[in-house]
Amino acid sequence: NAGVTQTPKFRILKIGQSMTLQCAQDMNHNYMYWYRQDPGMGLKLIYYSVGAGITDKGEVPNGYNVSRSTTEDFPLRLELAAPSQTSVYFCASSPTSSGANVLTFGAGSRLTVL
Amino acid sequence: GQQLNQSPQSMFIQEGEDVSMNCTSSSIFNTWLWYKQEPGEGPVLLIALYKAGELTSNGRLTAQFGITRKDSFLNISASIPSDVGIYFCAGYSLEMNRDDKIIFGKGTRLHILP
Repeated sequence: NAGVTQTPKFRILKIGQSMTLQCAQDMNHNYMYWYRQDPGMGLKLIYYSVGAGITDKGEVPNGYNVSRSTTEDFPLRLELAAPSQTSVYFCASSPTSSGANVLTFGAGSRLTVL
Repeated sequence: GQQLNQSPQSMFIQEGEDVSMNCTSSSIFNTWLWYKQEPGEGPVLLIALYKAGELTSNGRLTAQFGITRKDSFLNISASIPSDVGIYFCAGYSLEMNRDDKIIFGKGTRLHILP
């Protein structure tokens, strides 16, 4: 099993550019999450999804969009990149809600906006 | 919103020493989780705790779910170089009404001196 796969691993963007971070899981998990990790700040939830076709905002959704057309994939889109979005992004999944089952994380995508 | 206070922020220890870190909250949690993140990777689950007072070990790691349900600690005995990384506590509370109930601490960065 690959678990949770994120691409790309690294990306540099110019201010105002757009891009999509890809996330795929092969564990048939219903719940998927996007977090961002800033130095010394832990993990903050951007968006999450409880199943295909259903998404909801987390703690820091501004500047991002998501979609969940299939159980496996949960892409995160940045429409107009800003320096404040420089961060490491982690996708995670769990079988049901994050309280009942632990999260499995991807290896992360490091994004720099210049 | 709910917050987890994780301490210490960082630790510098000699190889072979024991390590102790903890998380506290002003709210009651139903689940406590401890994750470890190594450089360039996503967090990986170390220990999950589901009952107040529960004490669980995973090799040299021991974690406890506080009796008040507002705290948890993680101990590492006889540290070795591969223990280096960032340790995150995470808590889950049934008191919140949204699925993004899990909350992460800011992490404890463990350094081991040669």
